Amino acid sequence: EDKVVQSPLSLVVHEGDTVTLNCSYEVTNFRSLLWYKQEKKAPTFLFMLTSSGIEKKSGRLSSILDKKELFSILNITATQTGDSAIYLCVRMDSSYKLIFGSGTRLLVRP
Amino acid sequence: NAGVTQTPKFQVLKTGQSMTLQCAQDMNHNSMYWYRQDPGMGLRLIYYSASEGTTDKGEVPNGYNVSRLNKREFSLRLESAAPSQTSVYFCASIKDSSSYNEQFFGPGTRLTVL
Repeated sequence: EDKVVQSPLSLVVHEGDTVTLNCSYEVTNFRSLLWYKQEKKAPTFLFMLTSSGIEKKSGRLSSILDKKELFSILNITATQTGDSAIYLCVRMDSSYKLIFGSGTRLLVRP
Repeated sequence: NAGVTQTPKFQVLKTGQSMTLQCAQDMNHNSMYWYRQDPGMGLRLIYYSASEGTTDKGEVPNGYNVSRLNKREFSLRLESAAPSQTSVYFCASIKDSSSYNEQFFGPGTRLTVL
């Protein structure tokens, strides 16, 4: 069964903290793994990961994929209240089918 | 229950030609979305419609227009296609904007603009 499991389900931190969000998946015709941030409406794209061990960075956010162990992490350093959102991990298979994780709800308190 | 359907599956256009991508869902979902996927870019939101009668721009709306014809149908129009619009286009729908985890995607339309 295709599954993408994210942990923790929710997280409350204070501004300035560093957080690590986890995503594990089952491999079936794997193409890529994607991270999205969803605030109020549609999610916005953060990263696409296709190769193991290559860290992708965008400002305070970074992500890495381990295709051997079938997991990915999303790191956010020096968190801000604007980072409060649901973070979605999505696996894409070779036919472009998307399998979504349940999301991690992050709340950053001032 | 067909879920989300898209037509056509493949299309080749010449620069400057116009076309409309059709999307329909039979799940009585309120919100519908158009995404494009480019290599290394993941899915980027073009336009979305939170409910019948409303449409909003997403991340990359330039060069596109949309119509939410009714609750079932959400079309995407390219008035004057450009090579930069070569991409795979996905339509998606969800019951409402708080249930994104239940988003359903269509099979995609592979568009090539020469």
